[in-house]
Amino acid sequence: QQQVKQSPQSLIVQKGGIPIINCAYENTAFDYFPWYQQFPGKGPALLIAIRPDVSEKKEGRFTISFNKSAKQFSLHIMDSQPGDSATYFCAARRGGFKTIFGAGTRLFVKA
Amino acid sequence: DAGVTQSPTHLIKTRGQHVTLRCSPISGHKSVSWYQQVLGQGPQFIFQYYEKEERGRGNFPDRFSARQFPNYSSELNVNALLLGDSALYLCASSFDGSYEQYFGPGTRLTVT
Repeated sequence: QQQVKQSPQSLIVQKGGIPIINCAYENTAFDYFPWYQQFPGKGPALLIAIRPDVSEKKEGRFTISFNKSAKQFSLHIMDSQPGDSATYFCAARRGGFKTIFGAGTRLFVKA
Repeated sequence: DAGVTQSPTHLIKTRGQHVTLRCSPISGHKSVSWYQQVLGQGPQFIFQYYEKEERGRGNFPDRFSARQFPNYSSELNVNALLLGDSALYLCASSFDGSYEQYFGPGTRLTVT
């Protein structure tokens, strides 16, 4: 119940494409769902986050879609660029307590 | 403004030794969390501290301990190191332990 399942493991898209990363959770007590971007040798950087009472949130080229009934959420990256090549983690958190991370998706954007 | 800082950047230890990792949160942040990230996996929660009190603990053995100081900086201690402790150790800070947390660059620990 504490797991967050993330897919795909890796993704290759052309520049300008829209990569989509999906996550699913079981624990309905989770109330905050952030996405992190991590470059090699660096710590994860908070990209965007959503609460379950919202179905969609956009920040720049990044969009989260949230389906509370299906217990799924996804990240879309519009007009992807080679600089977006990184590992992306979805996560879920409950009431300010520990954050549970997905296993990560390695994204490569071809120039 | 300085972000979360961690020291040292890299560390090599031998099995059975002890290690201390340090973290300074963003100025004004009162909560620090520690995570272990094994290569190719997502970070795993170890501890959360807020106002010098332990708020939560992940599924790690008692060899792992931590504390938070009055200036809100924190230390993670690992005793009797095992090869499997080799990982990137991440510190994250937040204002009050609530939702937005910001990660430091991590300490890469190698146990030989």
